[in-house]
Amino acid sequence: EVQLVESGGGLVQPGRSLRLSCATSGFTFDDYAMHWVRQVPGKGLEWVSGITWNSAHIGYADSVKGRFTISRDNAKNSLYLQMNSLRADDTALYYCAKAPSPPQQLSSYFDLWGQGTLVTVSS
Amino acid sequence: DIQMTQSPSTLSASVGDRVTITCRASQSISRWLAWYQQKPGKAPKLLIYKASSLQSGVPSRFSGSGSGTEFTLTISSLQPDDFATYYCQQYNSYVTFGPGTKVDIK
Repeated sequence: EVQLVESGGGLVQPGRSLRLSCATSGFTFDDYAMHWVRQVPGKGLEWVSGITWNSAHIGYADSVKGRFTISRDNAKNSLYLQMNSLRADDTALYYCAKAPSPPQQLSSYFDLWGQGTLVTVSS
Repeated sequence: DIQMTQSPSTLSASVGDRVTITCRASQSISRWLAWYQQKPGKAPKLLIYKASSLQSGVPSRFSGSGSGTEFTLTISSLQPDDFATYYCQQYNSYVTFGPGTKVDIK
């Protein structure tokens, strides 16, 4: 079965760090670029970051640039998001999303989404 | 950065109605536009990509059109399963989502 499963969310204090993971299965992971998209509960979707198949190209939203780091391990079919210096406005459900093609560019739509992992930043 | 707007923000309709949602980009994005459906507690689901290409498995009552800066999503005959929030997304330059249009029951 083709699926994306996020993990690593939770309650964290402002200024602290958290690392999200996205385990994938059912498709050839290193054939695709991958992304993180977040959604404040009850609000809209916000693109966070993306990474090409070979990690050669990486992009971030201005709101997280310098604080978040995306990475991937093609041997483990997994995507990661290291989140540092977390702020209250980073509170959201974080989705992992697969970009169908082409794998060497970051501008894409998303044909497969995980169910998300909730990050709550609060003291 | 490319900004996306959608109208209306909320749309009340009945089963069987023809529904149209508009999405506008702050600059030309050619046809690099996707549409998603999201239901409460669920991840977004891809409906349309490249402005008018129907994703596999999506009912043919959904259609998309437009190019440049103005796009539309049309549901030809609204079904009970279609009450949801719809988002457009540009991918001409990185990724930007529209604010969403909630389709609820009239």
